[in-house]
Amino acid sequence: KQEVTQIPAALSVPEGENLVLNCSFTDSAIYNLQWFRQDPGKGLTSLLLIQSSQREQTSGRLNASLDKSSGRSTLYIAASQPGDSATYLCAVRPWAGNMLTFGGGTRLMVKP
Amino acid sequence: DGGITQSPKYLFRKEGQNVTLSCEQNLNHDAMYWYRQDPGQGLRLIYYSQIVNDFQKGDIAEGYSVSREKKESFPLTVTSAQKNPTAFYLCASSGPGQHSVNTEAFFGQGTRLTVV
Repeated sequence: KQEVTQIPAALSVPEGENLVLNCSFTDSAIYNLQWFRQDPGKGLTSLLLIQSSQREQTSGRLNASLDKSSGRSTLYIAASQPGDSATYLCAVRPWAGNMLTFGGGTRLMVKP
Repeated sequence: DGGITQSPKYLFRKEGQNVTLSCEQNLNHDAMYWYRQDPGQGLRLIYYSQIVNDFQKGDIAEGYSVSREKKESFPLTVTSAQKNPTAFYLCASSGPGQHSVNTEAFFGQGTRLTVV
């Protein structure tokens, strides 16, 4: 059974820092990996989707990489801002089936 | 605007009562999902449906039921058999076909259910 782990569980940084969030998965037979953002009491907002054939995707200050063979993905946030404060979740989709398996999330706090 | 709408935003259930959470999407997505989120925990899959009139149990289906009579709608009923229903419930959908480029998942804004 696929297991997805996110480390660290919580992170607090000063504004302006570049930071990396980690996501690891046990079964490398994935179709794609998706990063989400969740604000308190809200639903999930899709940030980036990486297909299994891709190595990275970029959107503004966000860059997500995928190393399928080692079962890892990283989300890089450049020049962090207080508005980036939220919980970030990664999820993987298998080749067989349409279900997403989620990590536990990383709760990020960016201090002004 | 295209998207997923969940209602109500807040729901209160008395002991022994069944309640139904609504989820509607206008994205023309085939697949729809229900997840449960507890404080400080990740998302756990309750039920999912890949096509109209078909659905499968997820990891924590006991005490829940669903229907998929229309492509746009995937309501979730929390029955009295669910002993600990207080949680945040999230509905999602994704595009047609496993091998379509349009497999990005989108989520609604959630329903917070509280037992009173």
